Amino acid sequence: AQSVTQLDSQVPVFEEAPVELRCNYSSSVSVYLFWYVQYPNQGLQLLLKYLSGSTLVKGINGFEAEFNKSQTSFHLRKPSVHISDTAEYFCAGQAAGNKLTFGGGTRVLVKP
Amino acid sequence: EAGVAQSPRYKIIEKRQSVAFWCNPISGHATLYWYQQILGQGPKLLIQFQNNGVVDDSQLPKDRFSAERLKGVDSTLKIQPAKLEDSAVYLCASSLGSSWRTDTQYFGPGTRLTVL
Repeated sequence: AQSVTQLDSQVPVFEEAPVELRCNYSSSVSVYLFWYVQYPNQGLQLLLKYLSGSTLVKGINGFEAEFNKSQTSFHLRKPSVHISDTAEYFCAGQAAGNKLTFGGGTRVLVKP
Repeated sequence: EAGVAQSPRYKIIEKRQSVAFWCNPISGHATLYWYQQILGQGPKLLIQFQNNGVVDDSQLPKDRFSAERLKGVDSTLKIQPAKLEDSAVYLCASSLGSSWRTDTQYFGPGTRLTVL
């Protein structure tokens, strides 16, 4: 069975500093990976997705993620965060034809 | 383009009561999903519809949960009777088709259910 693990439940970071959110997946078949963001009292919004091809994926709002098959990771990065990036971030994986499986989420708190 | 609409946004009930949630997907989206998001966890798929047919309801507790999408547009999710552990945010999402490769799921704001 496929599972997705987010290694950090909370990440405090200062404004304009870089941030990295860690995500590891397990799967015995080809997997497709996603990062979603959830702002307070809102639904989930897709940041980026990896289906195939280049392992470096660029998304909205300056975020990017790198697919690393050997380490079964899909970490999310942003070189300089803003106060408005305060939100909860979810990594999700999907094996071919199967449902999306979400990680437990990482809460990012950007401090001024 | 209007997003996925859900109502109510908040609901508080006592255990053993019944509750229903409503979802209106993005116009033209054939696929509709209901997720349960317990505090501190990621969303878990409860049921997926393709038009008005059920594609996947393997994680739906069918003894107390039911869902329908009669005309292939709006959907309702019902819990009867509710238990304390049903306290969660119920998210509705929709996508244009059912292609897991290309179809992005768009999420509504969710309904926060508290069972006392």
